[in-house]
Amino acid sequence: EAQVTQNPRYLITVTGKKLTVTCSQNMNHEYMSWYRQDPGLGLRQIYYSMNVEVTDKGDVPEGYKVSRKEKRNFPLILESPSPNQTSLYFCASSLLDLAGGQDTQYFGPGTRLTVL
Amino acid sequence: GESVGLHLPTLSVQEGDNSIINCAYSNSASDYFIWYKQESGKGPQFIIDIRSNMDKRQGQRVTVLLNKTVKHLSLQIAATQPGDSAVYFCAENNGDSNYQLIWGAGTKLIIKP
Repeated sequence: EAQVTQNPRYLITVTGKKLTVTCSQNMNHEYMSWYRQDPGLGLRQIYYSMNVEVTDKGDVPEGYKVSRKEKRNFPLILESPSPNQTSLYFCASSLLDLAGGQDTQYFGPGTRLTVL
Repeated sequence: GESVGLHLPTLSVQEGDNSIINCAYSNSASDYFIWYKQESGKGPQFIIDIRSNMDKRQGQRVTVLLNKTVKHLSLQIAATQPGDSAVYFCAENNGDSNYQLIWGAGTKLIIKP
């Protein structure tokens, strides 16, 4: 089954304790992206990647890191989490349109993170 | 600045009626628009998209209309069913980049029995 998976689905942690949220897709998509979703703000893009070893900042990259060592994986790293990073996080992937745009994004189930 | 917004945060519709969800955008350079549906506890799911060279596009029970003159996008759902209950997001591509989407805040669609 074609899907985007995220782990963990739920995480409660404390300020300053490094954490990683994994994302994996089995559709051989070039494009992967991380979003955070907060009430009333819709989805805001954190980082995205157009292929292996190619990553770019989204709208709200501060406090986050990503890596794209393999095509299927795109982990999100919080080196020193803070309470304002409490949010619902979504990973997404898509093919890249050869005309210069991205195709439909497929989203993972979400990771609810609470930073105390 | 660039923004994608929705006129109504919540929309209540009688089951069987048609639903219309509206979205305004401000970036004239955007040329790709998408509607996503997010059910409770799940990630957003693609519904339909439209490029700026079109005014209308139809899918199964859904139609997206694009009015570039007034920078307005709408999603019409025919014969609304209980399974249509969700939050609906419109998104546009960033005019400077095809690889970033700008998302609206979402409209919650409630289906009344």
